[in-house]
Amino acid sequence: SQQGEEDPQALSIQEGENATMNCSYKTSINNLQWYRQNSGRGLVHLILIRSNEREKHSGRLRVTLDTSKKSSSLLITASRAADTASYFCATPASGTYKYIFGTGTRLKVLA
Amino acid sequence: DGGITQSPKYLFRKEGQNVTLSCEQNLNHDAMYWYRQDPGQGLRLIYYSQIVNDFQKGDIAEGYSVSREKKESFPLTVTSAQKNPTAFYLCASLPSSTDTQYFGPGTRLTVL
Repeated sequence: SQQGEEDPQALSIQEGENATMNCSYKTSINNLQWYRQNSGRGLVHLILIRSNEREKHSGRLRVTLDTSKKSSSLLITASRAADTASYFCATPASGTYKYIFGTGTRLKVLA
Repeated sequence: DGGITQSPKYLFRKEGQNVTLSCEQNLNHDAMYWYRQDPGQGLRLIYYSQIVNDFQKGDIAEGYSVSREKKESFPLTVTSAQKNPTAFYLCASLPSSTDTQYFGPGTRLTVL
């Protein structure tokens, strides 16, 4: 079963605006990752945040993690049309080599 | 070039046929994974392998089989027992030092 749930399921914004998507999970984790998937392609890793971190930045990406609420958010600032993609969160299943992916947020950035 | 490759990109299967999807990596990663993705959905784990000659079932292994005879290769066979195999299949590998998976470009399987 999928542990991660992203919301919103779909998001449409204008170029230059910020995009925020959220991920909730159910069990304790030691890290959480965000991936991007362009239509019909494989996933590409964006950023990993560890359980002892609250915020992490990478370029125009900002990720936060709230372990008390079991949630994470991904913020893309100054969005571009090229950011149009689906975004997934993923968490490692404790004690295994398995990873659990959320259902994804489909982001569309309008030029 | 280092990376993970999948072939073919598109695959068509008649009902009742077995088909094999290829996944190769030259990243020297120990662990490899197969996921299934249905339209508008997330990824569901089919099988994974931590080391050569060892693999474990994921959440939706029924109707699928795998082998891991070489570190570089992790082929997935979709058997006739899989009743609804039309989907996008993604292979991934994982280095021992991180939790970051590297994904192949995917194979889109369609049953005719």
